[in-house]
Amino acid sequence: KAGVTQTPRYLIKTRGQQVTLSCSPISGHRSVSWYQQTPGQGLQFLFEYFSETQRNKGNFPGRFSGRQFSNSRSEMNVSTLELGDSALYLCASSSRTSPDNEQFFGPGTRLTVL
Amino acid sequence: AQSVTQLDSHVSVSEGTPVLLRCNYSSSYSPSLFWYVQHPNKGLQLLLKYTSAATLVKGINGFEAEFKKSETSFHLTKPSAHMSDAAEYFCVVNLSGYALNFGKGTSLLVTP
Repeated sequence: KAGVTQTPRYLIKTRGQQVTLSCSPISGHRSVSWYQQTPGQGLQFLFEYFSETQRNKGNFPGRFSGRQFSNSRSEMNVSTLELGDSALYLCASSSRTSPDNEQFFGPGTRLTVL
Repeated sequence: AQSVTQLDSHVSVSEGTPVLLRCNYSSSYSPSLFWYVQHPNKGLQLLLKYTSAATLVKGINGFEAEFKKSETSFHLTKPSAHMSDAAEYFCVVNLSGYALNFGKGTSLLVTP
């Protein structure tokens, strides 16, 4: 089985722009979660989608949004980028048959905001 | 809210010696706890998980962790470190549903 894939792997944007990141989960997985990783704040939960519905949301401003498509692929969008949005954005997928199911992480998208 | 505290930001061991990475948790109910590892430029990988079935949990690559409710701890151990164990290790607790709350991480350095 192919693992979780994220595109693009690297991205450079300037302040004020918006960005869309993409995540393709493992085949058959219907839950997709997003995390932000920064040196200062560590790994923080952004949101989780299941069957095209947002099930959980972390403590991030409304500039961060996401969606999930019928094929379980997910996108996250950040509008009006700020320097502090520079981070590694990780996507994880799970079959979601129970809350203890392992989440499989992708390699991440490294976003740099100049 | 469920949270974890990793007590050491950096741990250095010699190859062949035991590894101990410490984690304390805070939870209002019996938590689900995990240890993940992140090698440089690679994704996060699950080492092991505790889901109340057994207090001593064995994971991949010789790692294990013991859930101690009385001490609210979930320390990660390995009897003998290998150079390939050098990585960042995260203690993680389930917040709710599929939201994970990560500790700040412990960077493990293994010296020859």
